[in-house]
Amino acid sequence: EVRLVESGGGLAQPGRSLRLSCAGPGFNFNDYGMHWVRQAPGKGLEWVSSISWNSAGLVYADSVKGRFTISRDNAQNSLYLQMNNLRIEDTALYYCAKDKLPLMTVTGSPYGMDVWGQGTTVIVAS
Amino acid sequence: DIQMTQSPSSLSASVGDRVTITCRASQSIGSYLSWYQQKPGKAPKLLIFAALSLQSGVPSRFSGSGSGTDFTLTITNLQPEDFATYYCQQSYNARTFGPGTKVEIK
Repeated sequence: EVRLVESGGGLAQPGRSLRLSCAGPGFNFNDYGMHWVRQAPGKGLEWVSSISWNSAGLVYADSVKGRFTISRDNAQNSLYLQMNNLRIEDTALYYCAKDKLPLMTVTGSPYGMDVWGQGTTVIVAS
Repeated sequence: DIQMTQSPSSLSASVGDRVTITCRASQSIGSYLSWYQQKPGKAPKLLIFAALSLQSGVPSRFSGSGSGTDFTLTITNLQPEDFATYYCQQSYNARTFGPGTKVEIK
């Protein structure tokens, strides 16, 4: 079964850091671009960051650029999101998701995100 | 950055109705448009990719159309399980989601 499992969420003070992880058993993780998407309480979906299958392509939303870093370890079938200098507005449920098709570029693919985790909650508060 | 808008932001409909949701991009995105369904407390689910292609396992009452800047998601014969929030998402340049359309029971 193809699935994604996020972890690493929790409570952090403004200005502190958290590292989210996403494990991807059940498929050939190496071949798929991956994404982080967040959803603030009661709000819509916000794309955060994407990484290509080979880590050659990385893109970020303006709201997190310079503070968040996406990475992956294909040997561990894992995706990460290092979140530094957290802000109250980063409070959200963070989902990881995979590209529908393998070997797509991170900057443009018409195929959508076909598998999503259940999310991990990040709360930034003093 | 590419901005996405959706209309309406919410709608009320009855079982059996035909529902149309519109999504507009701030610049041409070709067919690089996906639609997702999200139910409360659940992760989003991919319905449509490449503007008009139905994701495997999604009922055929869902359909997508459009290209360039204007896109639609149509649900024919609305079923009880279709009451949810629907998001469009461009993938032409990075990714952007629309603000969502909540489909409620009339």
